Amino acid sequence: AQKITQTQPGMFVQEKEAVTLDCTYDTSDPSYGLFWYKQPSSGEMIFLIYQGSYDQQNATEGRYSLNFQKARKSANLVISASQLGDSAMYFCAMREGLGNQFYFGTGTSLTVIP
Amino acid sequence: GAVVSQHPSWVICKSGTSVKIECRSLDFQATTMFWYRQFPKQSLMLMATSNEGSKATYEQGVEKDKFLINHASLTLSTLTVTSAHPEDSSFYICSALQGFTNEKLFFGSGTQLSVL
Repeated sequence: AQKITQTQPGMFVQEKEAVTLDCTYDTSDPSYGLFWYKQPSSGEMIFLIYQGSYDQQNATEGRYSLNFQKARKSANLVISASQLGDSAMYFCAMREGLGNQFYFGTGTSLTVIP
Repeated sequence: GAVVSQHPSWVICKSGTSVKIECRSLDFQATTMFWYRQFPKQSLMLMATSNEGSKATYEQGVEKDKFLINHASLTLSTLTVTSAHPEDSSFYICSALQGFTNEKLFFGSGTQLSVL
């Protein structure tokens, strides 16, 4: 089974609107970390947000928030007030425990429409 | 967030030559760094885990003699593509673990390698 599943290959959103990028994960380890990264066309991987499995509250970083639903094993990224500069590939990732293996999803290409 | 610097950003080389890519953690010490390869419109593929002061751990299918990794200090890991061939052309990106318990992963800006 895939460790990280991103079911949306591409998404479009109107500028200033909010958008949710889906991510589900699969693990039996009670301790894990969930990450979201943004990769613009320049190629760099930009860290956006982190959620630990034991964190009681959903993580937020500015316009980014992570909708963490542990029972459903989902970690959706919510981008509020989309900007043209948000157009990029977005990758969800998971780390189990403190192991060195990070599992990446296949990514979602987000396009913000003016 | 933490800063990871990767150089060069892009490199073009002739077939048969070697290319060295550097990955530095600028504001933290990184005992563990990772090297990934990424093909166009695909996800990241882990090549190897670089551990400071010890040999790198390579993923299955990655030739360790071709992709030499050295992690000589807590802030620097290098990837050398030896005797590069056109099929080695790809985007290579490094990352480093940072945080109190090394829980967060930060990436360099990547290197686009083109082998002629």
